[in-house]
Amino acid sequence: QSVLTQPPSVSGAPGQRVTISCTGSSSNLGADYDVHWYQQLPGTAPKLLIYGNINRPSGVPDRFSGSKSGTSASLAITGLQIEDEADYYCQSYDTSLSGSIFGGGTQLTVL
Amino acid sequence: QVQLQESGPGLVKPSQTLSLTCTVSGDSISSSGKYWSWIRQHPGKGLEWIGFIYYSGSTYYNPSLKSRVTISKDTSKNQFSLKLASVTAADTAVYYCAREGHELDFDFWGQGTLVTVSS
Repeated sequence: QSVLTQPPSVSGAPGQRVTISCTGSSSNLGADYDVHWYQQLPGTAPKLLIYGNINRPSGVPDRFSGSKSGTSASLAITGLQIEDEADYYCQSYDTSLSGSIFGGGTQLTVL
Repeated sequence: QVQLQESGPGLVKPSQTLSLTCTVSGDSISSSGKYWSWIRQHPGKGLEWIGFIYYSGSTYYNPSLKSRVTISKDTSKNQFSLKLASVTAADTAVYYCAREGHELDFDFWGQGTLVTVSS
């Protein structure tokens, strides 16, 4: 069972905006550890999408943005495109585990 | 550009030891402040952190796997390795190696390798 909770699926039409939530606890996000987001296209390795809550690595479109408040975080995707169909994972550090934890993943469908 | 590449057997028999190696290019596994990690993904499931080896050589493992996991490194080859003992079918997964940076994010990943545990 994942320590970070994400919705199993979200969907949206091309051009729309969707958000994916990530809920943690006092031993991870609530302990002021950063959240990071990954995009996993079918059959490929995860790719870092957002790091340090809000930062985008070079090459990631500004359609992707992140936020964090307390024990919750969100990934927002604006101007949805077909190629955004993928699984999205949040990740952070957990003091109980003394290691990294991932959310269960959210499958994004672009209708 | 940092690149990681996993290698090792794709089929392991139950009760045996799974052994994988990650070859790193574009960075040194001895460079300060970096963690070199193993992560796995069961078929159709989410991601599970297995453990890391720090640039200094210290290691830390997921408590759920700790009794069976060993991560080591070969600085001369710029490689780090994973050994998982006493495997069962539940260890069938895609295994990824990844670099964990200063912000504790996994910024570079290998392509992953599927390991099937079966007789």
